[in-house]
Amino acid sequence: DAGITQSPRHKVTETGTPVTLRCHQTENHRYMYWYRQDPGHGLRLIHYSYGVKDTDKGEVSDGYSVSRSKTEDFLLTLESATSSQTSVYFCAISSNGAVEKLFFGSGTQLSVL
Amino acid sequence: GENVEQHPSTLSVQEGDSAVIKCTYSDSASNYFPWYKQELGKGPQLIIDIRSNVGEKKDQRIAVTLNKTAKHFSLHITETQPEDSAVYFCAASKISQKLVFGQGTRLTINP
Repeated sequence: DAGITQSPRHKVTETGTPVTLRCHQTENHRYMYWYRQDPGHGLRLIHYSYGVKDTDKGEVSDGYSVSRSKTEDFLLTLESATSSQTSVYFCAISSNGAVEKLFFGSGTQLSVL
Repeated sequence: GENVEQHPSTLSVQEGDSAVIKCTYSDSASNYFPWYKQELGKGPQLIIDIRSNVGEKKDQRIAVTLNKTAKHFSLHITETQPEDSAVYFCAASKISQKLVFGQGTRLTINP
């Protein structure tokens, strides 16, 4: 998957606990994205980054925060997980922000009980 | 903002037959329409895309058509094979804007 590694691949956690998902890329791409995938909703953008320490919100950003301290790593944090955040989370990258060059990781299945 | 509707949500076809998945979009300014294929346990992968200045684009057994007036676009897969079984997503965007995805279609090819 284009040099993108997501960790963990699966996680089960309890409501109210903090959770951090990691996306690591080896492509040196400037842009990184976090999406969530839910039945009936397709893929929805949570947050994205256009450079180190440069991030912006997507369409479903409430309850999520992100950080990017290095080009290769983009972290997604759920400060206090809720059951509505049970989902499959995908990281994606692109070299210049052009949506035509979007590459996805293999996803993280998160279950919040 | 943009809204993309995708139909059907599930589609089952016999191997060798054709499959068609349709999407409609709401923003007439959208000008880029990609299709992604997601195999089990993997992330989505771009398989074909089309821009608003083109009405049709083909790549071997897959093709995409665009009707700007009606604001809909379709994915056509001919001579379907078992490896075509997957979830397919359409999407739309304007220049420098982020992609908005459809809800997805689970395509099953029956031997």
